[in-house]
Amino acid sequence: AQSVTQLGSHVSVSEGALVLLRCNYSSSVPPYLFWYVQYPNQGLQLLLKYTSAATLVKGINGFEAEFKKSETSFHLTKPSAHMSDAAEYFCAVTRSNTGNQFYFGTGTSLTVIP
Amino acid sequence: NAGVMQNPRHLVRRRGQEARLRCSPMKGHSHVYWYRQLPEEGLKFMVYLQKENIIDESGMPKERFSAEFPKEGPSILRIQQVVRGDSAAYFCASSPGGTTDTQYFGPGTRLTVL
Repeated sequence: AQSVTQLGSHVSVSEGALVLLRCNYSSSVPPYLFWYVQYPNQGLQLLLKYTSAATLVKGINGFEAEFKKSETSFHLTKPSAHMSDAAEYFCAVTRSNTGNQFYFGTGTSLTVIP
Repeated sequence: NAGVMQNPRHLVRRRGQEARLRCSPMKGHSHVYWYRQLPEEGLKFMVYLQKENIIDESGMPKERFSAEFPKEGPSILRIQQVVRGDSAAYFCASSPGGTTDTQYFGPGTRLTVL
């Protein structure tokens, strides 16, 4: 079975500070992992995805995530937070053999303090 | 290339009425997924469809909910005899193929049941 755990439903950082949003997954087969961002009253926008090509994945808006198999983690980071980064962030996993449905974490709400 | 389109964006129904949610996938995408997002929760998979076929409906409630993706026209998620617990945001996503292809999300339909 697949699942995703996002530690910390709310994260606050100061503008310019490091952003770290945590995601741990469980999967019985090699996973495909995604980070999506959701702005208020909007749909989900893909930030980045891991498909086993490289463990460090760079996405849009300066975000990146590192796949660590030994820790079953796929944490999202950004060196310097911007006010426009305030949003809800979702980690999702699917698997390589049957795919189809994505399993989403419960989300982390990021607040950026000026 | 237009993104995934959903309409209506907001839908208000009284208990017992029917709700019809529409989703037009991105051009060239033949795979459609429906997810439900309850307040303060992540997205939960409902159903996966290809043209004229339901591939996976393991997340659909057994009663009152149905989905279709006809040969022509948008995918429809239909909820009969709505109850207050159906109030949620319903998101549609599409992908060019199945398995682990990135899913692109629409803006969602926010259903309110009075």
